Amino acid sequence: KAGVTQTPRYLIKTRGQQVTLSCSPISGHRSVSWYQQTPGQGLQFLFEYFSETQRNKGNFPGRFSGRQFSNSRSEMNVSTLELGDSALYLCASSLGTGGYYGYTFGSGTRLTVV
Amino acid sequence: AQTVTQSQPEMSVQEAETVTLSCTYDTSESDYYLFWYKQPPSRQMILVIRQEAYKQQNATENRFSVNFQKAAKSFSLKISDSQLGDAAMYFCAYRRGTGANSKLTFGKGITLSVRP
Repeated sequence: KAGVTQTPRYLIKTRGQQVTLSCSPISGHRSVSWYQQTPGQGLQFLFEYFSETQRNKGNFPGRFSGRQFSNSRSEMNVSTLELGDSALYLCASSLGTGGYYGYTFGSGTRLTVV
Repeated sequence: AQTVTQSQPEMSVQEAETVTLSCTYDTSESDYYLFWYKQPPSRQMILVIRQEAYKQQNATENRFSVNFQKAAKSFSLKISDSQLGDAAMYFCAYRRGTGANSKLTFGKGITLSVRP
């Protein structure tokens, strides 16, 4: 059974540009969540999607957005990149949205903003 | 708001020995789940063990076990017979059981090194 796939693995962008990250969940999983991981702030929740609807959103500026498609694949977009957006972005998929369902994480996309 | 605290940033253990990683959390919820995740250099977060708050029995998974003290809001991870492959960053995490705001809240993590 394939795991959670995130593409690309690495990305270098210039300040002011925008970027789109992709996440393909485990087959059958309908919930996809995104987390940002930095040395200073640790792991912070960005948003969660379930059946193409955003169910929950973290405390990030509007430059961070996402969406989920009918096949449960999800994309995350960051516009007008800032140096502080450099981070590891992790995607996690789950069968459902309640705490009963565990998360399976991907290997992340390492974004570097220069 | 829920918070998760891991006060030890680093720990070291001799191969084959036992080590305990500490975690405390704060919540007013009664229905929640606690997790320990392992993140090796490959970056993928791997679920080590899970504990349901309504269960009094401590969860175990092979060499990994937890000491769940609900009243004290403490959730420590014990690794027995430590192996070199256990070296990684370990995160304690909390998730409320129901409701729209059911996200994972992580601690800052602890870096575990295993000495051969």
